[in-house]
Amino acid sequence: ETGVTQSPTHLIKTRGQQVTLRCSSQSGHNTVSWYQQALGQGPQFIFQYYREEENGRGNFPPRFSGLQFPNYSSELNVNALELDDSALYLCASSPPGTELDTQYFGPGTRLTVL
Amino acid sequence: KQEVTQIPAALSVPEGENLVLNCSFTDSAIYNLQWFRQDPGKGLTSLLLIQSSQREQTSGRLNASLDKSSGRSTLYIAASQPGDSATYLCAVVTGNQFYFGTGTSLTVIP
Repeated sequence: ETGVTQSPTHLIKTRGQQVTLRCSSQSGHNTVSWYQQALGQGPQFIFQYYREEENGRGNFPPRFSGLQFPNYSSELNVNALELDDSALYLCASSPPGTELDTQYFGPGTRLTVL
Repeated sequence: KQEVTQIPAALSVPEGENLVLNCSFTDSAIYNLQWFRQDPGKGLTSLLLIQSSQREQTSGRLNASLDKSSGRSTLYIAASQPGDSATYLCAVVTGNQFYFGTGTSLTVIP
């Protein structure tokens, strides 16, 4: 059984560009959550997807958007990148019925905005 | 809005010491509390989960307690080892969201 994987590992973009980050959830997991972790900070909840629908959102602007696909993999899209978007982006998947208890985290994508 | 604070921000101890990490939260209406470990540049690994109706959980050398009424949790690590060096994060679930603290960076010196 493979764990949660994320791609790419690292990414460098410039201000104003758009970026797409990808997450493959663990087999059988139907809930995916995305977090932003700035350097020296704890993860901040961006949003959660359950069976292809957004199922909760943190305090992030609309330029942060997401998708979940029928195979439960997910994308995080960020438009009009800003310098403050530089962070480690983590996704986490949860088995059915456990999304408030159990999250398996991927290794993250390190995004640098210049 | 739920706010989670962790003290201290960093801690350095010699191998073999017992230590306590602290976590406090402002809204006592939590569903559960978890302690995670994060190694540099890596994702998070869950260590202990305490449901809101529980007072403590134990796993090996780790013991976590929860006092919901006072908004506090502690993580006790017994007989620390160099392999315990990492950042330790606590998180509470309120509503349907996880709220994380800023973490305690632990260094165990051989």
